[in-house]
Order: sequence, then C-alpha cells, then structure tokens
Amino acid sequence: EAQVTQNPRYLITVTGKKLTVTCSQNMNHEYMSWYRQDPGLGLRQIYYSMNVEVTDKGDVPEGYKVSRKEKRNFPLILESPSPNQTSLYFCASSFAQGYEQYFGPGTRLTVT
Amino acid sequence: AQSVTQLDSHVSVSEGTPVLLRCNYSSSYSPSLFWYVQHPNKGLQLLLKYTSAATLVKGINGFEAEFKKSETSFHLTKPSAHMSDAAEYFCVVSAYSGAGSYQLTFGKGTKLSVIP
Repeated sequence: EAQVTQNPRYLITVTGKKLTVTCSQNMNHEYMSWYRQDPGLGLRQIYYSMNVEVTDKGDVPEGYKVSRKEKRNFPLILESPSPNQTSLYFCASSFAQGYEQYFGPGTRLTVT
Repeated sequence: AQSVTQLDSHVSVSEGTPVLLRCNYSSSYSPSLFWYVQHPNKGLQLLLKYTSAATLVKGINGFEAEFKKSETSFHLTKPSAHMSDAAEYFCVVSAYSGAGSYQLTFGKGTKLSVIP
C-alpha cells in the first residue's frame, strides 16, 4: 500500500530535550516536506526537500532541522524544543514539487 | 505571489442537502488546484485536483469542483451531504514561482458540520 508513515504519532517531552520525528514514504517520490498545523493558522511549511541531499527552508524553519540522506526518509529534528513548538506535525511527499502531495497521519507533539 | 482564500471558516448543512465550500485564489502563473479533506485526528487526504485539463473535476466520495478562471474560483460541491462528510476541507494552490520553483499555498480551512 502506498503510504507515508510517521513516528511517533504522539510525543510529550520537556523543553530542551532533543527529539527526532521520522518520516518515510514508499512511493519513490522525489519531493518531501514537513508542515505544522496550528489552530487558526492552518498548515505552514517548515522545510522541504526536492531530492536526496537537497533541502530548503519553508515558511517557519526556525528551531527545526532536517536531512535527506535517502530518498524514502526525511526526518525532522528539534535540537532544543520549546513550548511554542507544541503542534501537530505532518510529513508529505509528492512525485515532484507542484504535484499533489500525500500526507502522513500526523505527529502530535507537546513540549512542556 | 499567490494566495488562497476559503470564504467560510465554518459551513453547516443538513444531511441529504447540497454542500458548497468556496475557494478563491490568485496566482501570477497558471495554477494547479487541489482540495484536501481532514477528518478528526487524521492526515490530509486528496479529494480532487485540477491541472489544466477539464475544468469540471470529479473526486472521491461524490465531490466535484469547477475551475473558473474568470472568477478565480475553485468551489467544492456535493449534491447530498452524508454524516461521514463532516470534516475540515482545505483548498490548495500550486503554481510556478520563478527560478525553477513551485509555491504551494494552503487555505485556512473550512470546517463542515452535517446535521442529522
């Protein structure tokens, strides 16, 4: 089954404790992206990747890192999480930039 | 520059009545347009897409949308609402933004409630 998977689905952590949210797709897509969704603000893009080893900032990249060492994986790293990063995070992939995206199930992160 | 405006943040309909969710966009280049649905505690699922072929686009679960260039609109419709349609719907525009890049812009979402 074609899908985007994310882990973990739920995470509660404390300020400053480094964490990684994994994302993997099995559709051989070139383009991958991370979003955060907050009430009243909709979806905002954090980082995206056009291809392996090519990443770029989205609209709200501060406090986040990404890497794309393999085509299928695109982890999101929070080196020192803060409470304002409490949000619902989605990973997405598509054939190429501009095409329809396929979304993962989401990761709900709470930073206390 | 491009933008997407979903004209209603919340729409409420009775089961069995038509659904209309409105979306206007602006774009300097010819856009692709998408509608996504998000059920509670779920990811976004693609409902339908317009990519410069037929202007009336049919999607899953009986939804369709019409691309109207003169009105810069891409409204989502369904003839008869089901309880299972209660969800949040997002209109998305994708267009070339120069230097080999495409810009993707999400609307703020419309929450659809279906009354039994």
